[in-house]
Amino acid sequence: EPEVTQTPSHQVTQMGQEVILRCVPISNHLYFYWYRQILGQKVEFLVSFYNNEISEKSEIFDDQFSVERPDGSNFTLKIRSTKLEDSAMYFCASRTPDTYYEQYFGPGTRLTVT
Amino acid sequence: AQSVTQPDIHITVSEGASLELRCNYSYGATPYLFWYVQSPGQGLQLLLKYFSGDTLVQGIKGFEAEFKRSQSSFNLRKPSVHWSDAAEYFCALNYGQNFVFGPGTRLSVLP
Repeated sequence: EPEVTQTPSHQVTQMGQEVILRCVPISNHLYFYWYRQILGQKVEFLVSFYNNEISEKSEIFDDQFSVERPDGSNFTLKIRSTKLEDSAMYFCASRTPDTYYEQYFGPGTRLTVT
Repeated sequence: AQSVTQPDIHITVSEGASLELRCNYSYGATPYLFWYVQSPGQGLQLLLKYFSGDTLVQGIKGFEAEFKRSQSSFNLRKPSVHWSDAAEYFCALNYGQNFVFGPGTRLSVLP
């Protein structure tokens, strides 16, 4: 069964450094999402992406965040200058145009900022 | 504003016992509701979803949920819990491009 994959599974970085989290959505999916889950807290929406542009973003998704689909398979989340409070699990999700409401989630990348 | 609450932070049940996890939502229109399960170190797996129609929906792993508009609830149930059901359970509401997740309920299962 096709699935969303994410790399790396765990990323440790120093405060102020740039990180790129990578996702490979399911191949026929056209809508892509990033979510964040701070340890012990609920999953929070960051951004949705379709047709090579951001569809919607939350208040969390400020100027230090960016997303990109650099090729036909990857979907990336970049954090330009990481802060301690960016430490969290980051989930990628994708869906087809047909399954409007059903998003398929990846296993997540745990980001630790020291 | 849209919101999802899960009143129980942590529930412990014995294996074989029945389970009900509570979920309440706030949304002005017809909600699209979901239950996801997250095992330790894993991603989110969809258990079931409600869009419209029959208010009792069946999902994977023997789970079901009942949508009650009058109570703004979408509670998850399972008649007999297995040890492998121990995990974090999230109720979620979809609106537009977004999902709003509840804070989650951690389920522990006693042997």
